[in-house]
Amino acid sequence: QLQLQESGPGLVKPSETLSLTCTVSGGSISTSNYYWGWIRQPPGKGLEWIGSIYYSGSTYYNPSLESRVTITVDTSKNQFSLKLSSVTVADTAVYYCARHARRGVIITGPFDWGQGTLVTVSS
Amino acid sequence: QSALTQPASVSGSPGQSITISCTGISSDVGGYNYVSWYQQHPGKAPKLMIYDVSNRPSGVSNRFSGSKSGNTASLTISGLQAEDEADYYCSSCTGTRGVVFGGGTKLTVL
Repeated sequence: QLQLQESGPGLVKPSETLSLTCTVSGGSISTSNYYWGWIRQPPGKGLEWIGSIYYSGSTYYNPSLESRVTITVDTSKNQFSLKLSSVTVADTAVYYCARHARRGVIITGPFDWGQGTLVTVSS
Repeated sequence: QSALTQPASVSGSPGQSITISCTGISSDVGGYNYVSWYQQHPGKAPKLMIYDVSNRPSGVSNRFSGSKSGNTASLTISGLQAEDEADYYCSSCTGTRGVVFGGGTKLTVL
């Protein structure tokens, strides 16, 4: 049974960098059929895709966040990570890590989700 | 990329059927058969209910079905039950530009 677990600080100051890690268990991150992604949900609002990464390091980013986002993968630890720089209060959200299906150069889904972690941006 | 368009809310009585629409453009919903639907209860992570327009994951009730016509995908829930009350989101691939979600629809079971 695949499990994804987010971890990282729950409070980040404005203008600093938000950093989260997703640990994958019950399956290998180094499989050819999947991309691994981050999605966020501000309180009371909808879902927003942030970006996704393949185990080789190939990435897709949401164009509206691309200038501030970096997603990396560590296959030795079966983890992938999110960094979001220059955060503001608007970045306060529940952050989910997830697994997408890979269809050639296209990613679909996501199909599996972590439980989510609330990150608050506040001084 | 703009969010897919969903109605803000829908409602129905127990036993009835409801349909939630998800409208995009030719480069997302209309261009690929890769629309997914999610159910989200308060305080919980989204749960995949439909993938690839009309496929149900194992364990999802056959009361949930999906379809697509042109740039609009639809989720139909038949035989509404109280436990179906939740927020529903669609997603679509956008070719080589990743994934986009709909704005979400709140389903109320009267």
